[in-house]
Amino acid sequence: KAGVTQTPRYLIKTRGQQVTLSCSPISGHRSVSWYQQTPGQGLQFLFEYFSETQRNKGNFPGRFSGRQFSNSRSEMNVSTLELGDSALYLCASSLGDTRSGGNTIYFGEGSWLTVV
Amino acid sequence: AQSVTQLDSHVSVSEGTPVLLRCNYSSSYSPSLFWYVQHPNKGLQLLLKYTSAATLVKGINGFEAEFKKSETSFHLTKPSAHMSDAAEYFCVVSGTYNTDKLIFGTGTRLQVFP
Repeated sequence: KAGVTQTPRYLIKTRGQQVTLSCSPISGHRSVSWYQQTPGQGLQFLFEYFSETQRNKGNFPGRFSGRQFSNSRSEMNVSTLELGDSALYLCASSLGDTRSGGNTIYFGEGSWLTVV
Repeated sequence: AQSVTQLDSHVSVSEGTPVLLRCNYSSSYSPSLFWYVQHPNKGLQLLLKYTSAATLVKGINGFEAEFKKSETSFHLTKPSAHMSDAAEYFCVVSGTYNTDKLIFGTGTRLQVFP
């Protein structure tokens, strides 16, 4: 069974550009979450999607957006890139049913974004 | 609000000796707690998960953690360290109801010396 797949793995962008990152969850998983990892701020939650709806959102500016498609694949977009957006962006997926609490959440290898 | 505190930013052990990585949590309700490991330039791998079924949780690669409500702790242990255990370890608590949001600790870097 394939794991969480993120593309591209590495990319370099210029300040002011925009970037789109893609995430394919584990087959059958309906929930996709995104995290930003930086040396200074650690791992921070960006947003979470379940059945094409944003279920939760972290404390990031509106330049960060995401969406989920009917096949559960997800994309996140960062517009007007800033140097501080340089980070590892991690996608995670789960079955998504939170009624019993504590879903097992699996992470991808991440997309390394460098803004120059 | 949920939070976790990892008490050590760095831990160094010799190969073959026990590992103890400490984590305290704060939660307004019965939490779900996790330990993830991140090897250099890699994503996060789930080591183990606690969801109230049993206080002693066994994970992969010989790791285990014990949930102690009275101490609000969830420390990670391994009887004998291996060189391949060198990595960053994150203690994590789940968010509130109806979300997969995870709240991460600041991480503990484990070094293993031969």
